[in-house]
Amino acid sequence: NAGVMQNPRHLVRRRGQEARLRCSPMKGHSHVYWYRQLPEEGLKFMVYLQKENIIDESGMPKERFSAEFPKEGPSILRIQQVVRGDSAAYFCASSPRASGNSQETQYFGPGTRLLVL
Amino acid sequence: DQQVKQNSPSLSVQEGRISILNCDYTNSMFDYFLWYKKYPAEGPTFLISISSIKDKNEDGRFTVFLNKSAKHLSLHIVPSQPGDSAVYFCAGGATNKLIFGTGTLLAVQP
Repeated sequence: NAGVMQNPRHLVRRRGQEARLRCSPMKGHSHVYWYRQLPEEGLKFMVYLQKENIIDESGMPKERFSAEFPKEGPSILRIQQVVRGDSAAYFCASSPRASGNSQETQYFGPGTRLLVL
Repeated sequence: DQQVKQNSPSLSVQEGRISILNCDYTNSMFDYFLWYKKYPAEGPTFLISISSIKDKNEDGRFTVFLNKSAKHLSLHIVPSQPGDSAVYFCAGGATNKLIFGTGTLLAVQP
């Protein structure tokens, strides 16, 4: 029973390039969450998606960042025109049901460490 | 606005003794709270959770206590083991998301 998978584990980009981070949720999970951890900080919520729908993107920067969770395939977090401040660890989590009032535990992947040169 | 706070960045404990990790929150709307453990270069691993209507939940060596009037929760690990050395995050569960504290680095000395 594989856990949440993320790839790549490490990604190096130069300023202005695009970064694509992938997340495959646990089997049977249809709810995906993306978090970002800056150095010396906790994880900060970015976006919550169900299959083909963005449910809550209140934590996403207004520009350059986008996320999708297509009917087939992994969830993608896309960062266009990366800047040095985007360097961080990006974690994906999944749950079998909505993680709100139902108190669903979110299970995390190993993260993608993005370094912008 | 830091809704979940872990004011101790680090804690050192002797093997076999009790580790107590603390967490304070400001948001009264959290429905539940969770503790995660994180090793370097890995993702957070779920440890234990507690509903906002409970005051205690226990799972093996781990016990979480919730004091709603003080808006405070704590994680007790007894007995502590060297393998428990990691960063511990508390998180509040709200609609659609988890709100994390900044973490406490626990070092269990052999």
